[in-house]
Amino acid sequence: AQKVTQAQTEISVVEKEDVTLDCVYETRDTTYYLFWYKQPPSGELVFLIRRNSFDEQNEISGRYSWNFQKSTSSFNFTITASQVVDSAVYFCALSEAETSYDKVIFGPGTSLSVIP
Amino acid sequence: DVKVTQSSRYLVKRTGEKVFLECVQDMDHENMFWYRQDPGLGLRLIYFSYDVKMKEKGDIPEGYSVSREKKERFSLILESASTNQTSMYLCASSHPLSTGELFFGEGSRLTVL
Repeated sequence: AQKVTQAQTEISVVEKEDVTLDCVYETRDTTYYLFWYKQPPSGELVFLIRRNSFDEQNEISGRYSWNFQKSTSSFNFTITASQVVDSAVYFCALSEAETSYDKVIFGPGTSLSVIP
Repeated sequence: DVKVTQSSRYLVKRTGEKVFLECVQDMDHENMFWYRQDPGLGLRLIYFSYDVKMKEKGDIPEGYSVSREKKERFSLILESASTNQTSMYLCASSHPLSTGELFFGEGSRLTVL
């Protein structure tokens, strides 16, 4: 069965610190997608990134970067020089070819607080 | 501005009542979803729909049903609300060619007394 684990329940950092949010996934499928979503205090989840299982290249988008390692079944998310606006709950998620790519399974989330 | 709109932000119902949660999207998306969000559990998929009048069970469908009579509207129904259905309910939609890129509504917080 597919499963997403985010071991960090809550993280607090001081503004401008770097922070990494961990995500470990389980799947028997060889073809799958991984995602990160952000849920700011306003409540509406926002899609951040999608990676497929055949593309292990790391990705950088501004202050955000993602490290995908199939060997450790991890898809970690790093925020560089954190800002107060980064305070949110972040969810890692997974979908598989076997069940349906559209059936997205979410992890429990990590609540990030960036302190000014 | 594209949107997923959920009809009620906050509802308070009594045990045994029938509850309707409505969701409308204006993006012409084929796929629509209902999740519930609980602290420590993340989002759990209740039902999803690929097309009008089609529905698929998610991971926790017990106690819920859905209706999709029109492409833009996806309703979640609690036939007989129970206290353990107190939760935040999130509706989402997606285009089938954009795998996993879900657009979410603001959520409906349901309290069952």
